[in-house]
Amino acid sequence: AQSVTQPDIHITVSEGASLELRCNYSYGATPYLFWYVQSPGQGLQLLLKYFSGDTLVQGIKGFEAEFKRSQSSFNLRKPSVHWSDAAEYFCAVGAGGTDKLIFGTGTRLQVFP
Amino acid sequence: DTAVSQTPKYLVTQMGNDKSIKCEQNLGHDTMYWYKQDSKKFLKIMFSYNNKELIINETVPNRFSPKSPDKAHLNLHINSLELGDSAVYFCASSRREGPPGELFFGEGSRLTVL
Repeated sequence: AQSVTQPDIHITVSEGASLELRCNYSYGATPYLFWYVQSPGQGLQLLLKYFSGDTLVQGIKGFEAEFKRSQSSFNLRKPSVHWSDAAEYFCAVGAGGTDKLIFGTGTRLQVFP
Repeated sequence: DTAVSQTPKYLVTQMGNDKSIKCEQNLGHDTMYWYKQDSKKFLKIMFSYNNKELIINETVPNRFSPKSPDKAHLNLHINSLELGDSAVYFCASSRREGPPGELFFGEGSRLTVL
C-alpha cells in the first residue's frame, strides 16, 4: 500500500536560512509526488509536482524538490526562507492514473526573524 | 472570484444533529473531492466525484452522504453527528484529463460537534 512519511513534525529556521523538509514514500511503481502548502486558516496550495523526467523540479515561491528513487525520497528545499513561508507543508503521493492522493502528516515550519 | 468556495466556514452543533456543507467550483473542473483533516492535521480523502458520478468512497460511515447536483457542486450531508466528526472538511477539484493529483482546495469548513 502507498504511504508517505514526513519525519519532522515541526521545524524552526531563521529568516534567510536554507530549508530542507524531508519526505519518504512507499509505492511499488514510479510515483507521482507532490508538495502542498497550507497557510494558517487556508486551504492547500500546490507547490510543485514530479511525474517523470528531470528529478529536480522547480515550483512556486522559490521552492524545489528532488526525487531520489534509491532513497524513496522527495525532499523539499529552499535556499533562503522568508517569514511568509511559515506554514504547514504536506508531501503526497498519487497512484498512477487515479486522483487519490495519500498525504503525509505534515511538517509545520516556523520562521524566526 | 474564488475558485473553490465552501460554506459555511465554521459550524458548531450538538451531537445527534444533521448538517450540510456546500462546495462550488468555478474552474470548469469535472472532478470534485471531500477531504477530512483531523486535529493532528492528518488529511484523508473521503469521496471523489467525476461528472456527478461517485468514483472514490473511502470507508466513510454511511452517516456521510455526498451529493453532486452538477459537476460544479459537491455537497456533504452528515446525519447524527458524533464528537469524532469534529474536523476541518476540505473540498477540492481537478480536471480528469489534467495531471493526476493537481488539486485545487477550498479554504475548509471547520465543524465542531459538542
